[in-house]
Amino acid sequence: EAGVAQSPRYKIIEKRQSVAFWCNPISGHATLYWYQQILGQGPKLLIQFQNNGVVDDSQLPKDRFSAERLKGVDSTLKIQPAKLEDSAVYLCASSFGFGTAIQETQYFGPGTRLLVL
Amino acid sequence: AQTVTQSQPEMSVQEAETVTLSCTYDTSESDYYLFWYKQPPSRQMILVIRQEAYKQQNATENRFSVNFQKAAKSFSLKISDSQLGDAAMYFCAYQGLTSGSRLTFGEGTQLTVNP
Repeated sequence: EAGVAQSPRYKIIEKRQSVAFWCNPISGHATLYWYQQILGQGPKLLIQFQNNGVVDDSQLPKDRFSAERLKGVDSTLKIQPAKLEDSAVYLCASSFGFGTAIQETQYFGPGTRLLVL
Repeated sequence: AQTVTQSQPEMSVQEAETVTLSCTYDTSESDYYLFWYKQPPSRQMILVIRQEAYKQQNATENRFSVNFQKAAKSFSLKISDSQLGDAAMYFCAYQGLTSGSRLTFGEGTQLTVNP
C-alpha cells in the first residue's frame, strides 16, 4: 500500500515570495492534515480536512496561508508572501477518520523542508 | 487546551539495553488516544504504538511497550533490546475525541543508541 506522498521535498525561497506544497494521501483516507514543524519542536496542526471540507483551521495564519482539497483527495498548501519564520518542515498526514483508534491513526508523509531567506 | 510534556530532551542507551521515555499530558476529556511516533533524521514521522484511554491493558508492539497510568496522566514508552536503528527523535502525542482529531505533540526526546 502506497504511503502519503508529498512534493517537493525541499524548497528554498526568498522572503515575500510565494510557495506551494502538494500532498496525496493514502487511498481511501477521508481525513487529511497539514502540520508545521519548526526545528526543535513538535508538529503543530495548521488545517484539517474531512473529504473536501475544512474541519479545523483555527491555527492557520489565514493572512498568508491557504489550503484546498478540491476533490477530496489531493491537497495543496500555499504560503503567500513567505516570512523568515515560516522556515519549517511541512508535514502532511492522513487517516480513515470516523472514530476508532485504528481509524483515527494518522500516517505521515516525508515532509517538505522549507527555508525562507 | 490539552498539553503534552516530555521532560527528557535527550536520552541515551547502550545497544541491547532497555530505556524508558517519559510523557505526561493534561486533559479534561475522559476518552482519548495516545501515540508514540518516531522521527529519524529523514523527518518522516513513523507510528510506534498507540493506546486507547478506555483500555486498562498496556499496549505492546514487539520490543516497544507503554506504561499507561490514566489517573496520573502518564504515558511512558519502554524500548527493550535497543537497536542502533532505534536512534531517533521520539514524540508523544495526544488525540482527543471531543476536540477534533488533531494530534497535540510534546517537544520530543532525542534518543541515542550507543554500540
